[in-house]
Amino acid sequence: VQLVESGGGLVQPGRSLRLSCAASGFTFDDYGMHWVRQGPGKGLEWVAGINWKSGRIAYADSMKGRLIISRDNAKSSLYLQMSSLRAEDTALYYCAKGMNSGLHYGLDVWGQGTTVTVSS
Amino acid sequence: DIQMTQSPSSLSASIGDRVTITCQASQDITNCLNWYQQKPGKAPKLLIYDVSNLKTGVPSRFSGSGSGTDFTFTIYSLQPEDIATYYCQQYDNLPLTFGGGTKVEIK
Repeated sequence: VQLVESGGGLVQPGRSLRLSCAASGFTFDDYGMHWVRQGPGKGLEWVAGINWKSGRIAYADSMKGRLIISRDNAKSSLYLQMSSLRAEDTALYYCAKGMNSGLHYGLDVWGQGTTVTVSS
Repeated sequence: DIQMTQSPSSLSASIGDRVTITCQASQDITNCLNWYQQKPGKAPKLLIYDVSNLKTGVPSRFSGSGSGTDFTFTIYSLQPEDIATYYCQQYDNLPLTFGGGTKVEIK
């Protein structure tokens, strides 16, 4: 069971970035999926979640309106489109697998994260 | 949003000691609580789900209890490999929210 994130990097304030997460080793379309971030030296902050069939999506208030989470079950992939990025969005972004098909449960598999740095 | 307050924020204990971390929710979350371990430079790992259920492979020295708004995480005999930051997380309501973390160090 593995999650591998990609797409992070250095981006200027106000620009956009798309993160990807490739899943393997489990039936991807049976589970809800999430993004969680961790700022430098900070704790964990849930960012967004999507249920198994993309029928239920939720976002953290801190980034609402600037995020689009999506998934492609045929490709076992999760995505996070981030726009109007700010310095405070600088963080390590983790992809995480939910323990059920919905959004309300624990996160039992995590990727190693992809770093997003917002700076001019 | 449900606020999760963990205490202490850090602690130092000796090998073999019992370590206890508390997590308080800002409202009743019944038993919708999980605990994670994050070692330095690594991704978090789920240790305990639904307050007290150990994930497969997690040593039995880890334990969780509580209900409603007050929860406790215990390491019954601290081992060197337990050095990490521990987080609680509620899933009763969206957004999912985490406690601020407790950093456990060896004395």
